[in-house]
Amino acid sequence: GQSLEQPSEVTAVEGAIVQINCTYQTSGFYGLSWYQQHDGGAPTFLSYNALDGLEETGRFSSFLSRSDSYGYLLLQELQMKDSASYFCAVIHTDKLIFGTGTRLQVFP
Amino acid sequence: DVKVTQSSRYLVKRTGEKVFLECVQDMDHENMFWYRQDPGLGLRLIYFSYDVKMKEKGDIPEGYSVSREKKERFSLILESASTNQTSMYLCASTSADTQYFGPGTRLTVL
Repeated sequence: GQSLEQPSEVTAVEGAIVQINCTYQTSGFYGLSWYQQHDGGAPTFLSYNALDGLEETGRFSSFLSRSDSYGYLLLQELQMKDSASYFCAVIHTDKLIFGTGTRLQVFP
Repeated sequence: DVKVTQSSRYLVKRTGEKVFLECVQDMDHENMFWYRQDPGLGLRLIYFSYDVKMKEKGDIPEGYSVSREKKERFSLILESASTNQTSMYLCASTSADTQYFGPGTRLTVL
């Protein structure tokens, strides 16, 4: 079967850097995505890694190591508006398999 | 901008009722998905569809069915709603490797 593990909760202060890890077990792996979801809102796409290495998009970066079945989302210069849930998701053939999400709380 | 809309933001139904949740996307995407989201369980795939009149079971299809008569519309049907189907239901459509989600329907079954 497929499974993804990520921490349930992370806290940090404004301006800090936080890393949210994701480990996965799956067959037919095509890539790892990250989604952000604010309370009451829909998930929105953040990033996608198909190959090993780091992808940077502004304050957010995402990393993938296929050999370790591991990835992470790095958030820099944290802002209050970054308080949200973050989901990693494995692209498996034509569908996504989501982790259970990491709730990030940013404090002033 | 891709737009995925869902027919209702909030819905309250009684046990045993038949419930229709509608989802429409305006970007001509072939793939569409229905998820339910529950605290601590993340997003779980109920059904998905690759094309008109095609459907595939996801991880938790029991108690649900779907309909895809037109490319832009994907409906989730609860034949006989039960209290354990109280949840947030999210529809999504896919372009390349990105899923675009609708705003969700919070369904309460009494």
